[in-house]
Amino acid sequence: KQEVTQIPAALSVPEGENLVLNCSFTDSAIYNLQWFRQDPGKGLTSLLLIQSSQREQTSGRLNASLDKSSGRSTLYIAASQPGDSATYLCAVSARRALTFGSGTRLQVQP
Amino acid sequence: NAGVMQNPRHLVRRRGQEARLRCSPMKGHSHVYWYRQLPEEGLKFMVYLQKENIIDESGMPKERFSAEFPKEGPSILRIQQVVRGDSAAYFCASSPDSSIGELFFGEGSRLTVL
Repeated sequence: KQEVTQIPAALSVPEGENLVLNCSFTDSAIYNLQWFRQDPGKGLTSLLLIQSSQREQTSGRLNASLDKSSGRSTLYIAASQPGDSATYLCAVSARRALTFGSGTRLQVQP
Repeated sequence: NAGVMQNPRHLVRRRGQEARLRCSPMKGHSHVYWYRQLPEEGLKFMVYLQKENIIDESGMPKERFSAEFPKEGPSILRIQQVVRGDSAAYFCASSPDSSIGELFFGEGSRLTVL
């Protein structure tokens, strides 16, 4: 059974810092990995999708890497801003559904 | 192009009542997934449907919960005889095909059971 773990569970940083969020999964037989952002009381916004054959994806200040063999992904956020404050969820797909981690709650202090 | 639309956004029910949650996928998407997010927990897969077919309901509780995605109209998640433990946010996601590519999520329906 696939299990997804995200570390840290919560993170508070001052504005402008570069930061890394970690995601690990137990079963490397995945189709892809997706990073989402969830604001309080809101739905999920897709940030980056990495196919299993890819090593990384970039979008603006975000960069996500995937090491399928070791079961790890990282989300790198450059020059963090208060507007980045949210919960970041990692999800891996296998067969028919996504398995989510519990998320990292990020707070960026102005 | 409207995104995934869920309604109602908030629903309050008393124990024993029925809850019906609706999801209209993105235009051109024929695959719908339902997830549940309990307070302070991650999202858990419930069911995956295509038009008129349930493909995978391995995450759905065996009793009181059912889902459908008819040929016409939205997908519906139905919870009969709700209990307090059903209080959660229910999210719907859609995709254009079965390849488990990028999923697009709705804003969720928040069910509160009194």
